[in-house]
Amino acid sequence: KQEVTQIPAALSVPEGENLVLNCSFTDSAIYNLQWFRQDPGKGLTSLLLIQSSQREQTSGRLNASLDKSSGRSTLYIAASQPGDSATYLCAVAGGTSYGKLTFGQGTILTVHP
Amino acid sequence: SQTIHQWPATLVQPVGSPLSLECTVEGTSNPNLYWYRQAAGRGLQLLFYSVGIGQISSEVPQNLSASRPQDRQFILSSKKLLLSDSGFYLCAWRNPTSALFFGPGTRLTVL
Repeated sequence: KQEVTQIPAALSVPEGENLVLNCSFTDSAIYNLQWFRQDPGKGLTSLLLIQSSQREQTSGRLNASLDKSSGRSTLYIAASQPGDSATYLCAVAGGTSYGKLTFGQGTILTVHP
Repeated sequence: SQTIHQWPATLVQPVGSPLSLECTVEGTSNPNLYWYRQAAGRGLQLLFYSVGIGQISSEVPQNLSASRPQDRQFILSSKKLLLSDSGFYLCAWRNPTSALFFGPGTRLTVL
């Protein structure tokens, strides 16, 4: 059974800092990995999708990497802003999962001015 | 572009009452659709998924059920709600690159 762990559980940084969120998964036979953002009381917003054959994806100030063999992914946020404050969720889809995702518990990020 | 709708946005129901949550997707055809639940202090749990009209797969035994009466409509139901059914219910669809996109969610409180 796939298990996804996110570290740290919470992170508080000053504005402008570069930061890294970590995600690890137990079964390396994944189809893809997706990072989401969730604001309080809201649905999930897709940030980045990395297919199993890819090593990284970039969107603006966000960069996600994938090391399938070691079961790890990182989300790098450059020059953090207060508007980046949210919960960040990592989710993996198994090889024959019809898109079913296994989620981590999330990292609560607070960027203070 | 594709859009996913959920309603109602919030719902407060007594224990033992029925439930019907609706999800619709616009701008795509024959999508895979999913119901997830996010309970307080817990991660997101997949409840049901559907690959087509009338095709429902259940991931977790419970007193909830799902139906897909139309291509872009996905409904979550219960005949009698339990306190433990409280949570944030999220509908999602999968695009051709296999990314999942979520709706705005329904906050259900069972009293």
